[in-house]
Amino acid sequence: EPEVTQTPSHQVTQMGQEVILRCVPISNHLYFYWYRQILGQKVEFLVSFYNNEISEKSEIFDDQFSVERPDGSNFTLKIRSTKLEDSAMYFCASRDRGHNSPLHFGNGTRLTVT
Amino acid sequence: GIQVEQSPPDLILQEGANSTLRCNFSDSVNNLQWFHQNPWGQLINLFYIPSGTKQNGRLSATTVATERYSLLYISSSQTTDSGVYFCAVGGYGGATNKLIFGTGTLLAVQP
Repeated sequence: EPEVTQTPSHQVTQMGQEVILRCVPISNHLYFYWYRQILGQKVEFLVSFYNNEISEKSEIFDDQFSVERPDGSNFTLKIRSTKLEDSAMYFCASRDRGHNSPLHFGNGTRLTVT
Repeated sequence: GIQVEQSPPDLILQEGANSTLRCNFSDSVNNLQWFHQNPWGQLINLFYIPSGTKQNGRLSATTVATERYSLLYISSSQTTDSGVYFCAVGGYGGATNKLIFGTGTLLAVQP
């Protein structure tokens, strides 16, 4: 069964550094998402991406975040200047066409900001 | 936006027991998924069930969309069932159709 793959599985960075989290969605999927889960809390929506542009973003997704689909397969989340509170698990998801289709999630990247 | 409430927040079971987890949501949805988050933090998709009933082994789920709730049944629980169970719903949000997650049910199955 096709999977969403995320790399790296764990990243440690210093406060103020830029990080890029990478995702390869399922081939032929059209809708892409990033979610965040701070330790012990629920999974929160960050941003959705469709047709090469952001279709919706949450209040969490401020100017320090950006997303990009640089080629036909990768989908990236960039955090420009990391803060301690950015430490979390970040999940990528993708979905096929149509409203009645499930989201498929990757295994996540655990980001630790020191 | 849609509100998603899960109950109970915590549940402790002895191995072999059965359990029912509930998810209430505040508006009409066209997507509902149940996930199990394992100890490594991975979200394992259990069911895509915007309506009706599905079964997969010891797990089954029922969504009554008109009454805005879904139930996840776990029978003959095993220690490997431990973890957090999330319900997530999606409304009629145009091109986005994002999922909104509930706060989860933390399940601990003791041997």
